Amino acid sequence: AQKVTQAQTEISVVEKEDVTLDCVYETRDTTYYLFWYKQPPSGELVFLIRRNSFDEQNEISGRYSWNFQKSTSSFNFTITASQVVDSAVYFCALSETNTGFQKLVFGTGTRLLVSP
Amino acid sequence: EAGVTQFPSHSVIEKGQTVTLRCDPISGHDNLYWYRRVMGKEIKFLLHFVKESKQDESGMPNNRFLAERTGGTYSTLKVQPAELEDSGVYFCASSLGWAWNEQFFGPGTRLTVL
Repeated sequence: AQKVTQAQTEISVVEKEDVTLDCVYETRDTTYYLFWYKQPPSGELVFLIRRNSFDEQNEISGRYSWNFQKSTSSFNFTITASQVVDSAVYFCALSETNTGFQKLVFGTGTRLLVSP
Repeated sequence: EAGVTQFPSHSVIEKGQTVTLRCDPISGHDNLYWYRRVMGKEIKFLLHFVKESKQDESGMPNNRFLAERTGGTYSTLKVQPAELEDSGVYFCASSLGWAWNEQFFGPGTRLTVL
């Protein structure tokens, strides 16, 4: 069965520190997609990235980077030089072939607090 | 372009009452999803519409929940009668036709059942 684990419930850092949010997933499918969403205080989930199971290249977008490792079933998210505006809840999610990739399975989220 | 909107933003009702949540997806998005997050837990899938048809309702908790999508546009999720365990944040999302496209989420409706 598919499952996403975000073991870190809450992380507190001081501005400009680097921080890594962990995501470990379980799936029996060979084809799947992984996602990260950000939930700011306004409540909506904001899409950050989608990665398919055949693409293990790391991705960098500004201060954000993602490390996908199939060998450890992990899809970790790093924020470099964190800023107060990065404070939010971050969710990792998975979609699989057997659901037509339609259904997202989420982790419990990691709350990131960045203080000035 | 307007995002996914949900109404109301908050709802507080008594156990046994009925509540209807509304979701307006992004115009042109055929796929519409409902999810729910119970406090502190993961966001769980409830169901998926393609236009006006229910594609997958495997996540609906029980028959007290009824979802509709009139004319393939907005959707409603009715809970009748509401129970204490129905409290949580109900999210709606929409996406374009391809299955692996990103889902755009609304701000959610926080439902509290007393």
